[in-house]
Amino acid sequence: AQKVTQAQTEISVVEKEDVTLDCVYETRDTTYYLFWYKQPPSGELVFLIRRNSFDEQNEISGRYSWNFQKSTSSFNFTITASQVVDSAVYFCALRGNDMRFGAGTRLTVKP
Amino acid sequence: ETGVTQTPRHLVMGMTNKKSLKCEQHLGHNAMYWYKQSAKKPLELMFVYSLEERVENNSVPSRFSPECPNSSHLFLHLHTLQPEDSALYLCASSQDEGSAGNTIYFGEGSWLTVV
Repeated sequence: AQKVTQAQTEISVVEKEDVTLDCVYETRDTTYYLFWYKQPPSGELVFLIRRNSFDEQNEISGRYSWNFQKSTSSFNFTITASQVVDSAVYFCALRGNDMRFGAGTRLTVKP
Repeated sequence: ETGVTQTPRHLVMGMTNKKSLKCEQHLGHNAMYWYKQSAKKPLELMFVYSLEERVENNSVPSRFSPECPNSSHLFLHLHTLQPEDSALYLCASSQDEGSAGNTIYFGEGSWLTVV
């Protein structure tokens, strides 16, 4: 069975701090994809990144970076120099035979 | 402009009402989905349509009835709902249903309150 664990339920930081959101997954599929989504208060889940199981290269996009480590089954997300607009719920997801979402981490960035 | 649009954004309905949620995707995708998001619960997949055919129904009560008239439109018909059905209902689409590599794109959701 597939499972995604986001152990951090809520995180609060002050603007300009760096913050890392953790994601740990379980799967028996040999080919799978990992995703991160952002959900602002408006409700829409905004797609941020997709990573396949064969590509362990880390990725950086502006202030966002992702660290995929297959050895520890983790796909962590770091926001550098956080801003108030980063406040949202962030979901990690795993897709193999089906799609599983983590419970989400609510990030609050205070001015 | 978002690729997946949902209407209405907010809906309040009584338990005896009949209403519908509408979803339209402008991405040329073949698969569409309904998800339910309740407070303190993970996202729940409700229905999956691929090329207008329902391919998955995750034990959803019959008071929720989906309809997919074409690959761009998806409806969720609501009838005699319960207060515990109050939630955010998210529509989504992807290029195909079967491929794990296809990204699922979501709409803004319809906030439903059953009174």
